[in-house]
Amino acid sequence: AQKVTQAQTEISVVEKEDVTLDCVYETRDTTYYLFWYKQPPSGELVFLIRRNSFDEQNEISGRYSWNFQKSTSSFNFTITASQVVDSAVYFCALMAGFQKLVFGTGTRLLVSP
Amino acid sequence: DGGITQSPKYLFRKEGQNVTLSCEQNLNHDAMYWYRQDPGQGLRLIYYSQIVNDFQKGDIAEGYSVSREKKESFPLTVTSAQKNPTAFYLCASSSQMQGSYGYTFGSGTRLTVV
Repeated sequence: AQKVTQAQTEISVVEKEDVTLDCVYETRDTTYYLFWYKQPPSGELVFLIRRNSFDEQNEISGRYSWNFQKSTSSFNFTITASQVVDSAVYFCALMAGFQKLVFGTGTRLLVSP
Repeated sequence: DGGITQSPKYLFRKEGQNVTLSCEQNLNHDAMYWYRQDPGQGLRLIYYSQIVNDFQKGDIAEGYSVSREKKESFPLTVTSAQKNPTAFYLCASSSQMQGSYGYTFGSGTRLTVV
């Protein structure tokens, strides 16, 4: 069975602080895909990144970076110099064995000015 | 622009009534999904369909029904058998060939039982 754990329910930071959102996953499949989605107050889930199990390279996109470590089954997401517009719920998700997407419970990020 | 349209955005239902949530996509995606979101519980899969005229139950299908008569449409009916239907409902779609690229989501329908 596949499982995604986001232990941080809610994080509050002040603008310009760096923040890391944790994601731990479980799967027995050797081929799998990890995702991060952002859910702003409007409700729609916005795709942020996809990473396959064979690519452990970290990725940076502007203020966003992702650290994928198979040894610890983690796929953490860091926002550098956070902004108020980053306030949202962030979901980590897993797709293994070409099955359905399984989501974590989400982390609510609140960035205050 | 291609995308997924969910309607209505807000829906109110009296207890004991059935209600249908609409989901339409013009992405030419084969697969469509319905998720339910409750505070602190993430997204849970209700039903999914990988091809027209076929669908499978997800993790919390009880009290819900779906149909897939057209590729573009995947309506969800919340029946009176659903004991706690107040939630945020999200529809999604994916390409069969590129399902590993994740899903495209609609903007959701917030259902409230009054």
